[in-house]
Amino acid sequence: NAGVMQNPRHLVRRRGQEARLRCSPMKGHSHVYWYRQLPEEGLKFMVYLQKENIIDESGMPKERFSAEFPKEGPSILRIQQVVRGDSAAYFCASSPQSGLRTDTQYFGPGTRLTVL
Amino acid sequence: EDQVTQSPEALRLQEGESSSLNCSYTVSGLRGLFWYRQDPGKGPEFLFTLYSAGEEKEKERLKATLTKKESFLHITAPKPEDSATYLCAVQGSYNFNKFYFGSGTKLNVKP
Repeated sequence: NAGVMQNPRHLVRRRGQEARLRCSPMKGHSHVYWYRQLPEEGLKFMVYLQKENIIDESGMPKERFSAEFPKEGPSILRIQQVVRGDSAAYFCASSPQSGLRTDTQYFGPGTRLTVL
Repeated sequence: EDQVTQSPEALRLQEGESSSLNCSYTVSGLRGLFWYRQDPGKGPEFLFTLYSAGEEKEKERLKATLTKKESFLHITAPKPEDSATYLCAVQGSYNFNKFYFGSGTKLNVKP
């Protein structure tokens, strides 16, 4: 009964490189959310996806950031040409089908991105 | 815009000293209010979901309550292992694609 899985747990990149963060939702969950957390701050919504669809990307920067959730495989958050300000913890959460009273989101352990 | 404010930012308690954490929110129609616990270096761990004013949920030493404007997380006779950051989040009815999180209350329970 695996929970939400994220990898890598820690990622170090130099400025200008690309970062790819992966998230596998809980079994039976078809909704994936990405959040960013800076030290001593709460989680900030970035993007909400269902299989092969981006539902809401209103929290994601317009440039350099993209997300996908393909039919097969994990969801991926991609950050191109990283800058120091991208250093943060990135959390993925999943939930069962929406529309029911089961919107609770379950979080993974996070990926801690450090940009040198 | 939907908003969540948690207080206090930090709370120090002696073991056994009961207290409450506050989560005030403004949202266009509440679909759900969620409490999470987060330990350092880990992801948020789900505690409770509350859906309507007057609702209460309990789990061990924790009890969550909800009114139309705020939620409380009551901690009865806390133990050192209850030390963590407690996060509150709301989901609105009109834009339920996202959760709005507060900045959390960092609880430290001393033995």
